[in-house]
Amino acid sequence: AQSVAQPEDQVNVAEGNPLTVKCTYSVSGNPYLFWYVQYPNRGLQFLLKYITGDNLVKGSYGFEAEFNKSQTSFHLKKPSALVSDSALYFCAVSGLNYGGSQGNLIFGKGTKLSVKP
Amino acid sequence: KAGVTQTPRYLIKTRGQQVTLSCSPISGHRSVSWYQQTPGQGLQFLFEYFSETQRNKGNFPGRFSGRQFSNSRSEMNVSTLELGDSALYLCASSLAGTERGNTIYFGEGSWLTVV
Repeated sequence: AQSVAQPEDQVNVAEGNPLTVKCTYSVSGNPYLFWYVQYPNRGLQFLLKYITGDNLVKGSYGFEAEFNKSQTSFHLKKPSALVSDSALYFCAVSGLNYGGSQGNLIFGKGTKLSVKP
Repeated sequence: KAGVTQTPRYLIKTRGQQVTLSCSPISGHRSVSWYQQTPGQGLQFLFEYFSETQRNKGNFPGRFSGRQFSNSRSEMNVSTLELGDSALYLCASSLAGTERGNTIYFGEGSWLTVV
């Protein structure tokens, strides 16, 4: 069964410092991996995805993620954090091949990112 | 291009009532899926529709149902509401689900409170 783990409930970073939000996955076959961000009282916004190809994926708002097959990880990164990056971040894997599904995502529990000035 | 639109944004219902939530996907998207978000359970998949057919269903009781119309718009219905159904219900659309890595785009959600 496909699954995703976000080991940190919260990450605290000072503005201007690099940030990393961790994600590990467990899938059968090649994974489709996604990162979403959720601001308070809002829906989920797509940041980036890994399908195949380069292990370093660049996304919206200066975020990037590194796919590491040997460590089954897909960590989200940003070189210089902004206060406005403070939000809830979700890692997700495609449910493809899980019970024959086609279109769903399996989400991690989410990591709250807090960036202090 | 308009995003995924959900209505209503906020609603309060009484236990035992039923509720219908509506979703208009991004133009051209044929897959619509629904998720429930709660503090305790996180984001959980409810069901997915593609070309008016339910293609996949999550682990929710039969009180939760949905449908998709020929214009890809979708509705979900929850009957006999329970307090535990209080949640943010998110609709998402994509070209054809996550096959081949299609991106799934989410709406702003419908906040349901059951009292």
